[in-house]
Amino acid sequence: GAVVSQHPSWVICKSGTSVKIECRSLDFQATTMFWYRQFPKQSLMLMATSNEGSKATYEQGVEKDKFLINHASLTLSTLTVTSAHPEDSSFYICSARVVFPSYNEQFFGPGTRLTVL
Amino acid sequence: AQSVAQPEDQVNVAEGNPLTVKCTYSVSGNPYLFWYVQYPNRGLQFLLKYITGDNLVKGSYGFEAEFNKSQTSFHLKKPSALVSDSALYFCAVRTTLNSGYSTLTFGKGTMLLVSP
Repeated sequence: GAVVSQHPSWVICKSGTSVKIECRSLDFQATTMFWYRQFPKQSLMLMATSNEGSKATYEQGVEKDKFLINHASLTLSTLTVTSAHPEDSSFYICSARVVFPSYNEQFFGPGTRLTVL
Repeated sequence: AQSVAQPEDQVNVAEGNPLTVKCTYSVSGNPYLFWYVQYPNRGLQFLLKYITGDNLVKGSYGFEAEFNKSQTSFHLKKPSALVSDSALYFCAVRTTLNSGYSTLTFGKGTMLLVSP
């Protein structure tokens, strides 16, 4: 199957700093990527849909100015958590969608564990 | 709105016994249903999907799922559980967003614990 990578796999930062998480599709082009957030022992919640060359579409309740998404190329999307606070600590997972030939199947990255002190 | 429900927070089974992880769905139109597995601090791994066709879908690692339209269910099954199957399992349904894009909406997850 298609491979999606994330970097870093874990990060610890001080409150008030910004953190950038990269999501790459390694062996396919992804015009659409998704960013999810997962709290401990809970499900994945969709944060935003990232589209190459255009602005991301955010889900209700997600702060656009806090979670900046850039999809600069067909293989890279970035999520920047600005002015991070302890409540932003979570597991962030990206997903890239393959249009052909896999029925719009989504492949998931390994996730990034963010801890804000 | 499309949604899936996983009624069990946790399923316990002894190694070698059959396992079932339950999922019910609520969709308008034809459902596209998926099962994923997540190991600790890892992303999701695809197990299987139902799009159309045979109601019994076979997937990775010996798992299978049965699509039942009358009961709106898509339960995950395996004839003989392994300790290494212990993980968090998510049922998901393809959802169309207000933006027009489609993505996956997940159930809350079911922790499967297989004892030796």
